[in-house]
Amino acid sequence: EVQLVESGGALVQPGGSLRLSCGASGFTFSSSEMNWVRQAPGKGLEWVSYINSNGNTMYYADSVKGRFTISRDNANNTLYLQMNSLRAEDTALYYCARVRKGRFSGTFYTVPDYWGQGTLVTVSS
Amino acid sequence: DIQMTQSPSSVSATVGDTVTITCRASQDVRHWLAWFQQKPGKAPKLLISAMHSLESGVPSRFSGSASGTDFNFTIIGLQAEDSATYYCLQTYSFPLTFGGGTRIEIK
Repeated sequence: EVQLVESGGALVQPGGSLRLSCGASGFTFSSSEMNWVRQAPGKGLEWVSYINSNGNTMYYADSVKGRFTISRDNANNTLYLQMNSLRAEDTALYYCARVRKGRFSGTFYTVPDYWGQGTLVTVSS
Repeated sequence: DIQMTQSPSSVSATVGDTVTITCRASQDVRHWLAWFQQKPGKAPKLLISAMHSLESGVPSRFSGSASGTDFNFTIIGLQAEDSATYYCLQTYSFPLTFGGGTRIEIK
């Protein structure tokens, strides 16, 4: 059974730092691309960051570029999100999500299929 | 960036009704469109991938379709347990972008 368990969320002051972790099990983590997605209280879903399976390709939302860093430890089946210079608007529930590759009409697609339950980050003084 | 415009933002419907949600992409996303269901306090659940491919275990009353850059998500025979917020997501290009969400309320 695929399981993703996020941790590391906390109350932090503006300008502070936090590192989120996502422990993976039930699938071959080292072969899987991963995403971080967040949801501010009462708001919709916002994609945050992506990392490929070997960790050498990353993408970020403009809202976090230069402040957040995604990384992974394939030996320990763990995904990370290092969050620096935190702002009030970063307050959200942060989800990690596995990317599945599928085939469609002779080509392929990707989709985040399994999600963790999220870890809450609150940025406030 | 690709914008996903989702409508309506909310809908109130009766058990047994047919409900349709639309997402319009600002540019071509081909078949890289998924639909998610999210219930309060829960993580999003993938219902449909590649425009219209139903995930395993998802009831057949849910369906997806597309016409150009317009994507429809339909529930035929709404059930009480379908009360939730639904999101579309394009995965064609980064940044990945979600629609704003549609809250379905059961009357």
